[in-house]
Amino acid sequence: QSVLTQAPSVSGTPGQRVTISCSGISSNIGRKTVNWYQQLPGTAPKLLIYSTNQRPSGVPDRFSGSQSGTSASLAISGLQSGDEADYYCAAWDDRLNGPVFGGGTKLTVL
Amino acid sequence: EEQLVQSGAEVKNPGESLKISCKGSGYSFSSYWIGWVRQMPGKGLEWVGLIYPADSDTRYSPSFEGQVTISADKSISTAYLQWSSLKASDTAIYYCTRHVTFDIWGQGTMVTVSS
Repeated sequence: QSVLTQAPSVSGTPGQRVTISCSGISSNIGRKTVNWYQQLPGTAPKLLIYSTNQRPSGVPDRFSGSQSGTSASLAISGLQSGDEADYYCAAWDDRLNGPVFGGGTKLTVL
Repeated sequence: EEQLVQSGAEVKNPGESLKISCKGSGYSFSSYWIGWVRQMPGKGLEWVGLIYPADSDTRYSPSFEGQVTISADKSISTAYLQWSSLKASDTAIYYCTRHVTFDIWGQGTMVTVSS
């Protein structure tokens, strides 16, 4: 069972906007920023969003992140078939003294 | 180019030992923590542990403490993850990644433990 909670799946149609949520507690998301990772089938995870809402170079601005209280969200606008992947949230946990991950959300583009 | 390159896939019998590697290049390897992450078949990501190559300061997830050993050789920019006695439940892909944001990932090492 993952420390951070994500819905197992979400779906959308091309061009649509979808949101993926991530829920934590005070020792992690409640006091730390959140990172998001995209894992395309058969590949290593890729950093998508860091420090809650920052995009690494090369990540399209269709991807955005936000955080409030003990929850965080990843929004993907202008959905494309190439966005089909598993998405993971992560944050540092002060009680564990290490990073914790969400269980992952599988995005299907219909 | 900043990158992490991992050693190849391994197939082992239960009870055998194993050491997999992760070599960094294109950046100051000693200056960044390296994390190890496990992904069991069809499952999510789990933090295994962290090491700071400059002084080999190491942290383990409570779930993996005592089960694995993380080490590093800064002279060759390489981190390691090792097992002294593998179990079938260790079957997974193991990734190394650069901390703090886990911005660079190795390609993963598939470890299969089966009799």
